[in-house]
Amino acid sequence: NAGVTQTPKFRVLKTGQSMTLLCAQDMNHEYMYWYRQDPGMGLRLIHYSVGEGTTAKGEVPDGYNVSRLKKQNFLLGLESAAPSQTSVYFCASTHWRLDENEQFFGPGTRLTVL
Amino acid sequence: RKEVEQDPGPFNVPEGATVAFNCTYSNSASQSFFWYRQDCRKEPKLLMSVYSSGNEDGRFTAQLNRASQYISLLIRDSKLSDSATYLCVVNRAGSYQLTFGKGTKLSVIP
Repeated sequence: NAGVTQTPKFRVLKTGQSMTLLCAQDMNHEYMYWYRQDPGMGLRLIHYSVGEGTTAKGEVPDGYNVSRLKKQNFLLGLESAAPSQTSVYFCASTHWRLDENEQFFGPGTRLTVL
Repeated sequence: RKEVEQDPGPFNVPEGATVAFNCTYSNSASQSFFWYRQDCRKEPKLLMSVYSSGNEDGRFTAQLNRASQYISLLIRDSKLSDSATYLCVVNRAGSYQLTFGKGTKLSVIP
């Protein structure tokens, strides 16, 4: 099992460019999440999904869109990148059951917006 | 008040030392508690869940005090490999979201 994978691992964008980050999991998890991590800020939730075809806003959703067309994939889109979106992006997934609610994280995508 | 607060450290301790991390949470409706570990430039990984009665996993002991809204992690006999950032994580009842503290950095020195 690959667990949670993220594509790409690194990316440099210019202000105003768009891109899509792909998260894939092979654990048949219902719940998937996108976080950003900035120095001194900790992990902050951008958007999440509780199942195929559903999405919901997290703590910092502005400037991002998401889609969950397939259960195993969760896409994060930046329509018009801004320098404030320079960050490390982590995807995570979980079953979210009482006895099995560990979130498994992908290795992260390091994004720089110039 | 932030929802989950931790001392950022860094904690620099010699090998073999005992070190304790503290965490406070502000939402009394919180129902699930965890400690995650994050190595430098890596993703967070679950270290242990925290149960009301307290729980132990080898050299690691986690405690929860619901009345004081306080969580702790004790590491005994520190190893060099324990060097990492430790994240306190809380889940509110009825929510599918986790709230992460900013983390406490630990460096174990030879």
